[in-house]
Amino acid sequence: EVQLVESGGGLIQPGGSLRLSCAASGFTVSSNYMSWVRQAPGKGLEWVSVIYSGGSTYYADSVKGRFTISRDNSKNTLYLQMNSLRAEDTAVYYCARAAAGTYYFDYWGQGTLVTVSS
Amino acid sequence: QSALTQPASVSGSPGQSITISCTGTSSDVGGYNYVSWYQQHPGKAPKLMIYDVSKRPSGVSNRFSGSKSGNTASLTISGLQAEDEADYYCSSYTSSSTWVFGGGTKLTVL
Repeated sequence: EVQLVESGGGLIQPGGSLRLSCAASGFTVSSNYMSWVRQAPGKGLEWVSVIYSGGSTYYADSVKGRFTISRDNSKNTLYLQMNSLRAEDTAVYYCARAAAGTYYFDYWGQGTLVTVSS
Repeated sequence: QSALTQPASVSGSPGQSITISCTGTSSDVGGYNYVSWYQQHPGKAPKLMIYDVSKRPSGVSNRFSGSKSGNTASLTISGLQAEDEADYYCSSYTSSSTWVFGGGTKLTVL
């Protein structure tokens, strides 16, 4: 059974850093396209970042230069390192899988809440 | 990376059909047959309903259908049921190797 479990969210002050994790089971992270998608309170979905099976990474303009996506193949886990956090980064962060060669998100985690506030 | 344009809300009575539009550009919706639709109930993770414009994942009711014309994609739900009340989001792959979502549409079943 495919499962994605995010962790690492919490309350952080503006300018701070946080690392989110997404532990996967039932499939191999490195063989798929793994994304982070966020949702601010009461708002819509916003795509944040992707790491392709080949290792290429891409980011939304809103986080470029501040966030870094990575994966640990030995732990079958996806990460999102978030630096220079701003109030507008407050959101539930979901990890989502797109199977390699496909361009839709077929599995999602339950999300982890990040709150940026002083 | 502008969001795709969706109506903020739509409504319909049980048994009726509704259609939600999703307008992008030639760099996303119009350029690829990689439009997908997601259903989200309050407090839950999104669920894939339609992929590659018009394909349904296993387990999704055939009351859900998708189409595309030019830069606009559409999701149609026929035979509305109370359980269909949720937020719906379209998404498209883009020419920048990224994804973009629509702003979301709140469906109310009257």
